[in-house]
Amino acid sequence: GAVVSQHPSRVICKSGTSVKIECRSLDFQATTMFWYRQFPKQSLMLMATSNEGSKATYEQGVEKDKFLINHASLTLSTLTVTSAHPEDSSFYICSAGARSNYGYTFGSGTRLTVV
Amino acid sequence: AQTVTQSQPEMSVQEAETVTLSCTYDTSENNYYLFWYKQPPSRQMILVIRQEAYKQQNATENRFSVNFQKAAKSFSLKISDSQLGDTAMYFCAFIHSGGSNYKLTFGKGTLLTVNP
Repeated sequence: GAVVSQHPSRVICKSGTSVKIECRSLDFQATTMFWYRQFPKQSLMLMATSNEGSKATYEQGVEKDKFLINHASLTLSTLTVTSAHPEDSSFYICSAGARSNYGYTFGSGTRLTVV
Repeated sequence: AQTVTQSQPEMSVQEAETVTLSCTYDTSENNYYLFWYKQPPSRQMILVIRQEAYKQQNATENRFSVNFQKAAKSFSLKISDSQLGDTAMYFCAFIHSGGSNYKLTFGKGTLLTVNP
């Protein structure tokens, strides 16, 4: 089945630094990748949609300059949290899939802690 | 805009028993997919079951089955012979097929605990 690899699984960074999270589709080409943020005991909140070779589409209220998304190939999308602050601490999840069957597969998530 | 409502924040069931999780949705679209995802303590999102709206037959995957009532816009998940490993957060989700954004809309989730 389709596999999406997300790294790192956990990261701790200092306030003011930037952190990059990678999401790779291992055995299929992902035309679309999604980035979510999840707070404890809450649902997934969509941050942005990235399409290969084009700019990401951000959801309302998500800061484009803080959460930089790059989808340079059909197998890799990255989320960079720039100038991280403690309030950016959260669980970030990516998902990828082919539009043909709406079979979206999720990465294992990244727990970001900003100290 | 589509909305997905899960009215049961938490539920519990005894091992080997059957439990039903509720989900309702609101849409003006006629073509769409519905999903149940499971998120265990590891937080990995796992697809449990999928239903195409144009199919009248309810989807089934081993111990998991759905009751899809299109007119009522209801999509409940039944878990039979509950196992300890079924303990997880369960999310109902909707996607409009043929739309331009391909975004999943999630419910708020139901935390299911299976007790030994």
